Amino acid sequence: SQTIHQWPATLVQPVGSPLSLECTVEGTSNPNLYWYRQAAGRGLQLLFYSVGIGQISSEVPQNLSASRPQDRQFILSSKKLLLSDSGFYLCAWSVLGPSTDTQYFGPGTRLTVL
Amino acid sequence: ELKVEQNPLFLSMQEGKNYTIYCNYSTTSDRLYWYRQDPGKSLESLFVLLSNGAVKQEGRLMASLDTKARLSTLHITAAVHDLSATYFCAVDLWRRDDKIIFGKGTRLHILP
Repeated sequence: SQTIHQWPATLVQPVGSPLSLECTVEGTSNPNLYWYRQAAGRGLQLLFYSVGIGQISSEVPQNLSASRPQDRQFILSSKKLLLSDSGFYLCAWSVLGPSTDTQYFGPGTRLTVL
Repeated sequence: ELKVEQNPLFLSMQEGKNYTIYCNYSTTSDRLYWYRQDPGKSLESLFVLLSNGAVKQEGRLMASLDTKARLSTLHITAAVHDLSATYFCAVDLWRRDDKIIFGKGTRLHILP
């Protein structure tokens, strides 16, 4: 069966510090991968998605970036965090096509920028 | 641009009552998803609706899809406290894009 991991689960970082969040998927090949951010009490904001290794689509211009160095690994990064980067970061995967059924979400990383 | 609108955004109701959450979307799609999110937790898939007229039920929740009206509903029957959560609908553009677009969510609070 497929599983999706995210780490760390919780992170507190000072403004201006770098960020690296990791997401890995097991049990599937060539998944579509997604990064979402959810601000406190708000809906989901799609940040990046990837349909293959090295292929990244950015939805919102900001100080975040994403990379996909391996088929089942998706990394969210920042060189300098802002206060507004605080939120709940969710990674998700899906398999695109007629048989796809939904996106599957990881457990999330709660980021607080102080 | 695809827009997905849910209403209400917040709902407080008594146990035992029935209610419906609505999800409207602005472009053609034949795939719609409902998710549940408990406070502080990730999203859990509830229903996948893949065609016009699709209806799915799980316990006290029933979801339906009308692609002609671009409307999905999530109906709650005889609500219980355990159903308190935020519910999101999401529309899939899989034939045209690799994304799904989420509504803002409906925060459901069921009073015991």
